[in-house]
Amino acid sequence: EDKVVQSPLSLVVHEGDTVTLNCSYEVTNFRSLLWYKQEKKAPTFLFMLTSSGIEKKSGRLSSILDKKELFSILNITATQTGDSAIYLCSNFGNEKLTFGTGTRLTIIP
Amino acid sequence: NAGVTQTPKFQVLKTGQSMTLQCAQDMNHNSMYWYRQDPGMGLRLIYYSASEGTTDKGEVPNGYNVSRLNKREFSLRLESAAPSQTSVYFCASSARAAYEAFFGQGTRLTVV
Repeated sequence: EDKVVQSPLSLVVHEGDTVTLNCSYEVTNFRSLLWYKQEKKAPTFLFMLTSSGIEKKSGRLSSILDKKELFSILNITATQTGDSAIYLCSNFGNEKLTFGTGTRLTIIP
Repeated sequence: NAGVTQTPKFQVLKTGQSMTLQCAQDMNHNSMYWYRQDPGMGLRLIYYSASEGTTDKGEVPNGYNVSRLNKREFSLRLESAAPSQTSVYFCASSARAAYEAFFGQGTRLTVV
């Protein structure tokens, strides 16, 4: 069965810190790995990664995939209070999109 | 540009009642999904539909049925609601597998 494991489950840091969120996966016929941010309502898309070693960047957020070791990381530098959210990692295998439990990130001003 | 629309946004049911959650997307996407989200559990896949006319079970299908009515619409039915089905339900769609999935705003369902 497809599986996505995220760590840590919860993280509290001060504004300005850098954080690294982890995602490991086991999935049949891997197609892509996606990161989402969820604040109060629906998840919003951050990144999609399909190839190993290619870093995706968007402002202070970046992500990289290692298909050999079956994991991905999401980095956030110079964190701001607006980064407080649940970050969800997900995998497309065959036709299914499977999510991990998420990492709840809290940024203290 | 509506994207993915779910109805209703909130619902309270009594144990044993039935209801259907509606989902429609206007992006001509092939794949559609239903998830439930409980505290600390992330998003768990209930059912998905890779294309019009096909549906498959996900991780937690028991107690639910789905219908892919046409390419736009994918409904989720609870035949006999139970308190364990109290949750937030999300519908999502993607052009096809491995592409970005777009989410509806969710339905908060309480079964008493």
